[in-house]
Amino acid sequence: EAGVTQSPTHLIKTRGQQATLRCSPISGHTSVYWYQQPLGLGLQFLLWYDEGEERNRGNFPPRFSGRQFPNYSSELNVNALELEDSALYLCASSRSNRGRNSPLHFGNGTRLTVT
Amino acid sequence: RKEVEQDPGPFNVPEGATVAFNCTYSNSASQSFFWYRQDCRKEPKLLMSVYSSGNEDGRFTAQLNRASQYISLLIRDSKLSDSATYLCVVNPEGNTGNQFYFGTGTSLTVIP
Repeated sequence: EAGVTQSPTHLIKTRGQQATLRCSPISGHTSVYWYQQPLGLGLQFLLWYDEGEERNRGNFPPRFSGRQFPNYSSELNVNALELEDSALYLCASSRSNRGRNSPLHFGNGTRLTVT
Repeated sequence: RKEVEQDPGPFNVPEGATVAFNCTYSNSASQSFFWYRQDCRKEPKLLMSVYSSGNEDGRFTAQLNRASQYISLLIRDSKLSDSATYLCVVNPEGNTGNQFYFGTGTSLTVIP
């Protein structure tokens, strides 16, 4: 079974530019989550998509946005990049259910550097 | 109050030692609990799901105490390769659905 895949692995942008990060979930998983992890710090919840809809978002400004496609893959867009956006961006997927939850499975992440 | 709280450590233990981490959660209705391991600059990887009264996988044992609202992870016979950050994750059920809450992680270094 293929795991969660993210692209690109590394991304270098300058301040003010826009970044697009992509994620493909495990086959059969319909929920996709995005997290930001600055170097040396914990995971910060960004966005949760399920069945093509945004279900919840963390405490981030509107310039962080995304979407989920019909095949359940997802895209995270960050506009007007700032230096503090430099971080590891992790995508995770899980089965969507309304009872016992399945765990999250993470991709390898995209390391975004803003200069 | 945070949804999930962990002692950040660091824990520095010699090879072969037994070490335990605790994690407390605030939502008494929480149903699903997990331990993840994260190596430096890598993605978190699922170590164990924690079910009902707990479970064991080799040298690792996870326990759940609903009355006191905490989960624990016990590592026996520590190996150098166990050095990592251990994340506690809780998934409360309810209208918010499939939301996961992460602890800040406990750092473990196993010393030769």
